[in-house]
Amino acid sequence: ELKVEQNPLFLSMQEGKNYTIYCNYSTTSDRLYWYRQDPGKSLESLFVLLSNGAVKQEGRLMASLDTKARLSTLHITAAVHDLSATYFCAVADSGGGADGLTFGKGTHLIIQP
Amino acid sequence: NAGVTQTPKFQVLKTGQSMTLQCAQDMNHEYMSWYRQDPGMGLRLIHYSVGAGITDQGEVPNGYNVSRSTTEDFPLRLLSAAPSQTSVYFCASSWETTENTEAFFGQGTRLTVV
Repeated sequence: ELKVEQNPLFLSMQEGKNYTIYCNYSTTSDRLYWYRQDPGKSLESLFVLLSNGAVKQEGRLMASLDTKARLSTLHITAAVHDLSATYFCAVADSGGGADGLTFGKGTHLIIQP
Repeated sequence: NAGVTQTPKFQVLKTGQSMTLQCAQDMNHEYMSWYRQDPGMGLRLIHYSVGAGITDQGEVPNGYNVSRSTTEDFPLRLLSAAPSQTSVYFCASSWETTENTEAFFGQGTRLTVV
């Protein structure tokens, strides 16, 4: 059974600081997703990581994947208040598409001025 | 450009009532899934489908039925609602290929069972 663990689950940080969210998963997978969710809203896709060593960056967010260690990280650089949200990682089991994802419990991120 | 459309957005049911949550996508995606989101639990997979006529159970399928008669639609049926089914439900769809595998989510249905 695929298990996905995120840490930390809660994070309060100041604007301008850097921090990393970690996502560990228990079985082999070559597809990992990062989503953002604002309160009361749906999930917004941030990154899709498809291979070992994959690194993607968008603005102040950078995600990486190490399939050998079964670890993905989401790094926040010089945080700003607008990045306050809940961030989820999700891992796909074997197969072609994202037919059934296993999610972490999410990291509730608060960025304070 | 509708994407994934869920209806209704909000629903209150009495215990024992039945209802169907609708999900439709207009992107010709093969894969569709239903998830429920509960506080502190992340999203958990209820049922999924890899194409018309094909469905399978996810992590928490009890109390829910699905069918996939067309590529576009993937309704979720609650046969006899229970308070434990109070949750936010999300439908998602994606293509079938590994290279183009982003999952798109609907806006969610907030269900309360009293």
